[in-house]
Amino acid sequence: SAVISQKPSRDICQRGTSLTIQCQVDSQVTMMFWYRQQPGQSLTLIATANQGSEATYESGFVIDKFPISRPNLTFSTLTVSNMSPEDSSIYLCSACEDSYEQYFGPGTRLTVT
Amino acid sequence: AQKITQTQPGMFVQEKEAVTLDCTYDTSDQSYGLFWYKQPSSGEMIFLIYQGSYDEQNATEGRYSLNFQKARKSANLVISASQLGDSAMYFCAMREPRGNEKLTFGTGTRLTIIP
Repeated sequence: SAVISQKPSRDICQRGTSLTIQCQVDSQVTMMFWYRQQPGQSLTLIATANQGSEATYESGFVIDKFPISRPNLTFSTLTVSNMSPEDSSIYLCSACEDSYEQYFGPGTRLTVT
Repeated sequence: AQKITQTQPGMFVQEKEAVTLDCTYDTSDQSYGLFWYKQPSSGEMIFLIYQGSYDEQNATEGRYSLNFQKARKSANLVISASQLGDSAMYFCAMREPRGNEKLTFGTGTRLTIIP
């Protein structure tokens, strides 16, 4: 099974600033995803990180707010731009190999003040 | 559009008892996958078990089993001999047909094991 790490594990940021979250997988994976979990809520998919091309965003999420990079098959970044308190959430990276299993990173707890 | 329903927001279970967490789903696809994840207070999502729509046998992983009833569109998680460390949020999720692996999650069930 893939082992996924995320940095930072948590951060407290000021309104109007941006934060970039890194996701590193210990093996090459075909697909990587970014999810958001708002306080007390379930997980919502932000986008699919495509290697070598633009990310595919879900309804309600836009590239200007959540730019994503995926330069290779083991690494991706998510930037939360121009943050507001409503962006306070856990952001989770996940990866999928050729098998059915989808694994998650430990998450990044973001608090915006 | 796919939908996952978990009707139990919270459950309290005595240690060593078995517990069933409910999950129903709605999809028009014939090929799909169903997942259960555990989320402790630390926030990480721990993969527990998977059931493919064409799998004839119910999936099992140690103390976890998935009671898959395709006609009823239900995929309940059964935890046998519950332990204090089982206290966590549990999420049921569905994967779209192969080629698009994104997951749709239910609202979750908070399980508390009572010593």
